[in-house]
Amino acid sequence: GQQVMQIPQYQHVQEGEDFTTYCNSSTTLSNIQWYKQRPGGHPVFLIQLVKSGEVKKQKRLTFQFGEAKKNSSLHITATQTTDVGTYFCAGDSGNTPLVFGKGTRLSVIA
Amino acid sequence: NAGVTQTPKFQVLKTGQSMTLQCAQDMNHEYMSWYRQDPGMGLRLIHYSVGAGITDQGEVPNGYNVSRSTTEDFPLRLLSAAPSQTSVYFCASSRDTTYEQYFGPGTRLTVT
Repeated sequence: GQQVMQIPQYQHVQEGEDFTTYCNSSTTLSNIQWYKQRPGGHPVFLIQLVKSGEVKKQKRLTFQFGEAKKNSSLHITATQTTDVGTYFCAGDSGNTPLVFGKGTRLSVIA
Repeated sequence: NAGVTQTPKFQVLKTGQSMTLQCAQDMNHEYMSWYRQDPGMGLRLIHYSVGAGITDQGEVPNGYNVSRSTTEDFPLRLLSAAPSQTSVYFCASSRDTTYEQYFGPGTRLTVT
């Protein structure tokens, strides 16, 4: 079945440093979604990418979808303590349930 | 709109007991799903439903039953609780898998 792999599992950064998490799928995706889960909270939708090579920005967050639609990345510029949490990617191959990656837990040291 | 609601927030069960986790949404979403979250394992799909009267198994369905008699409600039943079912359970809803998922606040379940 479809698998979505996400790396790294953990990332500790100093406040102000950049952060990137990567997502790779074993199959071509029709779309990829990114979610953020704060400690003790529930996953909250951040963004969806649909087109090959698509790049979207939300303030300090940059999301990319690979040309082959099998990989994606989330980059945070100049991390802040409010960025702490676990970031998940989730993809579907069309008419299938979303498959979530295992997430990347981000810690930010002030 | 209340969004997605889940009850209870916390539950402790003894091995062998059964219970139902409740999930409801008021957004008229057709697609609903149940996930369990364990440390280091991400979100694993238990069961999902694409509409009232239709359910299907996800990645980890064993030990769980679901039904979808209305668009709003999607309860998850644990038939005979086992310690391996200790986890945080999230219910989610969306228009379909190509749209954003709205998650409930979760139920933290401990089975002793």
